Amino acid sequence: DTAVSQTPKYLVTQMGNDKSIKCEQNLGHDTMYWYKQDSKKFLKIMFSYNNKELIINETVPNRFSPKSPDKAHLNLHINSLELGDSAVYFCASSRANQGPTNEKLFFGSGTQLSVL
Amino acid sequence: AQSVAQPEDQVNVAEGNPLTVKCTYSVSGNPYLFWYVQYPNRGLQFLLKYITGDNLVKGSYGFEAEFNKSQTSFHLKKPSALVSDSALYFCAVRAPDTGRRALTFGSGTRLQVQP
Repeated sequence: DTAVSQTPKYLVTQMGNDKSIKCEQNLGHDTMYWYKQDSKKFLKIMFSYNNKELIINETVPNRFSPKSPDKAHLNLHINSLELGDSAVYFCASSRANQGPTNEKLFFGSGTQLSVL
Repeated sequence: AQSVAQPEDQVNVAEGNPLTVKCTYSVSGNPYLFWYVQYPNRGLQFLLKYITGDNLVKGSYGFEAEFNKSQTSFHLKKPSALVSDSALYFCAVRAPDTGRRALTFGSGTRLQVQP
């Protein structure tokens, strides 16, 4: 069973469209994240939720809106897509109260978004 | 602010030779340091971490990393490289005394192991 799963794996769409990427984790973790990896492979945090509460919101255009219906899901909705949004988006999860010695992120396999 | 630098975009090494992938960091206080590996079309996978204690940390697949506080470095090493080690490697850091649990990643280093 996949621990952190994202759908879709590939997303090709036109500029101006609205799209969503879904993420689910079955690890029982209470913290989830969205990272963006650009064409140069640079990985940057976008959002983090802990128990459905937004705790990190980096400088991301407000066209990007995360939604966490429960602590096992963190979806990413993007409005009015732009060419510069093309990237690979990774969902990740971790357990917040496990202590640093057990801390690690579990990543999904990514969603490659191409905006034409 | 916390940051990570991986000065090499790519490291080439022959199979069987030792490998080193470099990482330096900047963070307030004592750092939590991590290495992750990314294989093609996959998400990142945890390799190892330094939280406290022994400066030499051993991780998955025979990798190890040495924390050097004076040089603010956390280089990844392996005594004998395998072709299957070819992948993208990311160093990451976070400060322990913040509410943020998200890591700051370096720009990645592509390791190419030649047969």
